[in-house]
Amino acid sequence: RKEVEQDPGPFNVPEGATVAFNCTYSNSASQSFFWYRQDCRKEPKLLMSVYSSGNEDGRFTAQLNRASQYISLLIRDSKLSDSATYLCVVNGNYGQNFVFGPGTRLSVLP
Amino acid sequence: SAVISQKPSRDICQRGTSLTIQCQVDSQVTMMFWYRQQPGQSLTLIATANQGSEATYESGFVIDKFPISRPNLTFSTLTVSNMSPEDSSIYLCSVGPGGRAFFGQGTRLTVV
Repeated sequence: RKEVEQDPGPFNVPEGATVAFNCTYSNSASQSFFWYRQDCRKEPKLLMSVYSSGNEDGRFTAQLNRASQYISLLIRDSKLSDSATYLCVVNGNYGQNFVFGPGTRLSVLP
Repeated sequence: SAVISQKPSRDICQRGTSLTIQCQVDSQVTMMFWYRQQPGQSLTLIATANQGSEATYESGFVIDKFPISRPNLTFSTLTVSNMSPEDSSIYLCSVGPGGRAFFGQGTRLTVV
């Protein structure tokens, strides 16, 4: 079983749609959780951290369920500029390195 | 946060040769991480580089193939040795101050 698994995608949605991504992780000792965004031919960039209480940043909402070892990302009112690959990231063995999920590709269509 | 300058941004190399990738961080960090991202894939950790000690390699990666230097707390290099077409990939360095990962711009390597 991979350490971090995500919806295989791709997701093709119209502008204005709401889309949800799911992620599961296998290491119950993981402490930190993130969603990163990676545009084509670019390095990953932090979208948002994920907290146990859930957190929201504008159109983006992240949820964490430690009991189920499950993380989610909800994007509301999707924009063309949201098209990217979304990576679920969990901290790894050393507490500072990170384990990346395979990513879910999103295409927002006009 | 951290700003990382990585170079070269891309290169096309002949098989059998070696390429050294450099990463410079704008602040001192304990650990630097090197990742590989093969086409259409996610990031795979190659090794963790600590200043003053040998790098720690992940399963499937060895020092002879990917030697790493870490001469100080702001700089590291990764060498891809004796390259073959299978080494064609994006290589990324990363640091994790404050518990968040920051990346260099990546090096897109093509081996012909």
